[in-house]
Amino acid sequence: DAGVTQSPTHLIKTRGQQVTLRCSPKSGHDTVSWYQQALGQGPQFIFQYYEEEERQRGNFPDRFSGHQFPNYSSELNVNALLLGDSALYLCASSLSGHGPYEQYFGPGTRLTVT
Amino acid sequence: AQKVTQAQTEISVVEKEDVTLDCVYETRDTTYYLFWYKQPPSGELVFLIRRNSFDEQNEISGRYSWNFQKSTSSFNFTITASQVVDSAVYFCALSLNAGKSTFGDGTTLTVKP
Repeated sequence: DAGVTQSPTHLIKTRGQQVTLRCSPKSGHDTVSWYQQALGQGPQFIFQYYEEEERQRGNFPDRFSGHQFPNYSSELNVNALLLGDSALYLCASSLSGHGPYEQYFGPGTRLTVT
Repeated sequence: AQKVTQAQTEISVVEKEDVTLDCVYETRDTTYYLFWYKQPPSGELVFLIRRNSFDEQNEISGRYSWNFQKSTSSFNFTITASQVVDSAVYFCALSLNAGKSTFGDGTTLTVKP
């Protein structure tokens, strides 16, 4: 039973560029949440996708957008990258209606913006 | 708004010592869920326990135990007879509904041999 997978593992981008991070949820899960974890801090909720729509959103600017595909996988897009976007981006999957809600986290994508 | 405070930034103990990690939360809702996660250096958050606001029973799982007290809005985590493998960052989190969790800033636990 595959857990949550994320790609890529590491990424280095330049200020102003755009980046796309990918997440495949645990088998059988239909809900994907994204979190940003800056160094030395706890994860901060970005948004959650269910049935291909954004269901909840945290306090992040519109530069952060996402998408969920029919197979429940998800992408996180960040435009106009800033140095402050450097962080570990975590994806978590869960099964709607079975909670709250044991989230399974992926290993994360470490983004460095130079 | 919800808030989770983990006042202990770093804790260092010697193997076999007992250690308690503190977690204090704030919410105006009466229905909520509390979690503890472990984050090893690899970065992946490992789920340890979930508690809902209506269940104040303490729980023990092997060397791990949790003390939930609504009166003080605390959900503390104790590791008995700590081991080097327990070294990690531990996060306490609060959730009101599906998915959106509010995390504390974590406590880095170092267990020395």
